[in-house]
Amino acid sequence: EAQVTQNPRYLITVTGKKLTVTCSQNMNHEYMSWYRQDPGLGLRQIYYSMNVEVTDKGDVPEGYKVSRKEKRNFPLILESPSPNQTSLYFCASKEGRNTGELFFGEGSRLTVL
Amino acid sequence: GEDVEQSLFLSVREGDSSVINCTYTDSSSTYLYWYKQEPGAGLQLLTYIFSNMDMKQDQRLTVLLNKKDKHLSLRIADTQTGDSAIYFCAEIKGNNRLAFGKGNQVVVIP
Repeated sequence: EAQVTQNPRYLITVTGKKLTVTCSQNMNHEYMSWYRQDPGLGLRQIYYSMNVEVTDKGDVPEGYKVSRKEKRNFPLILESPSPNQTSLYFCASKEGRNTGELFFGEGSRLTVL
Repeated sequence: GEDVEQSLFLSVREGDSSVINCTYTDSSSTYLYWYKQEPGAGLQLLTYIFSNMDMKQDQRLTVLLNKKDKHLSLRIADTQTGDSAIYFCAEIKGNNRLAFGKGNQVVVIP
């Protein structure tokens, strides 16, 4: 089954404790992206990757890191989480050509105390 | 400012039509998209329209595009309880990125 898998789905952590949210897709997509969703602010892009070893900042990259060592994986790293990073995070992927059909994971709800 | 603007909330009675509006900014957008987010889930592509079209109909969904005003709307006919969701419009920006609106929550009242 074609899917984007995120882990963990839920996490409560404390300020400053490094964490990684993993994302994996099985569709051989070139393009992958991380978004955060906050009430009243919609979906905002954090980072995206056009292909392996190619990553770019989105609209709200501060406080986050990503890597794209393999095509299927695109982890989101919070080196020192802060309470303003409490949010619902979505990973998504799509083909590399200019298409708008993004495939989303089910989301990871992160709470930073 | 916002790339894509949407109103935030709409309630509609089951069986009525619902209309969601969106204003986008990039007149060169080739395609415009509507995504649906059901409770507790990620977004899924609902429908899209090519920029050289004024209207696209897909079963109960009608998409209208006014390029002059950069206005996009989604009409859902015979709204059902399963249509309760958040609806996002989106456009492709440079570097193949998708920019989303803030989303419009639709609540269907039985």
